[in-house]
Amino acid sequence: DAKTTQPTSMDCAEGRAANLPCNHSTISGNEYVYWYRQIHSQGPQYIIHGLKNNETNEMASLIITEDRKSSTLILPHATLRDTAVYYCIVRDPNAGGTSYGKLTFGQGTILTVHP
Amino acid sequence: EPEVTQTPSHQVTQMGQEVILRCVPISNHLYFYWYRQILGQKVEFLVSFYNNEISEKSEIFDDQFSVERPDGSNFTLKIRSTKLEDSAMYFCASRKEEYSYGYTFGSGTRLTVV
Repeated sequence: DAKTTQPTSMDCAEGRAANLPCNHSTISGNEYVYWYRQIHSQGPQYIIHGLKNNETNEMASLIITEDRKSSTLILPHATLRDTAVYYCIVRDPNAGGTSYGKLTFGQGTILTVHP
Repeated sequence: EPEVTQTPSHQVTQMGQEVILRCVPISNHLYFYWYRQILGQKVEFLVSFYNNEISEKSEIFDDQFSVERPDGSNFTLKIRSTKLEDSAMYFCASRKEEYSYGYTFGSGTRLTVV
């Protein structure tokens, strides 16, 4: 799986958009970008994923650059409950063999939403 | 919304004792996983399980660890003889299809070995 680079921490004011960047310059053509978050030692929670098109769901938007070497997770109106560690993970969901879908977590970005 | 349920939420055990951590994955999911997170460290993959057998395991998952799906609903992680360094949060996760997208994680079991 391709390596990702994320800032260690970010701050955001409540009600504002939180934009979390992720670099994945070695991403291959079959690899998707996944975002998960972990709120205070709870289990990681799936947010969104994408291949090359921008994606939006009820939680967030994902913007992937045209060369796919970086992406940005956008929480459009951050709340205090969005304070968490956000993980950007790149993997090929169709990888067979020994890669039966394991996720490799990095350190992630600690997002702090303040009033 | 369907959930992955883990029990107990917190277990304290003495070094050398056996522990069994239990998970009830989402009922129509086919792929099952255990991860662990030592306090302050990254979430680490332990093992994946599909079609009633281990499909992949990490270096952490040595002979002291085993997994089982005894009755088609529960998915258990057994640590045969616990060590102090096994103290961690253990997360169970499940996934519906091989090519599906999101994993659902349980809320975890905090294992404390004393």
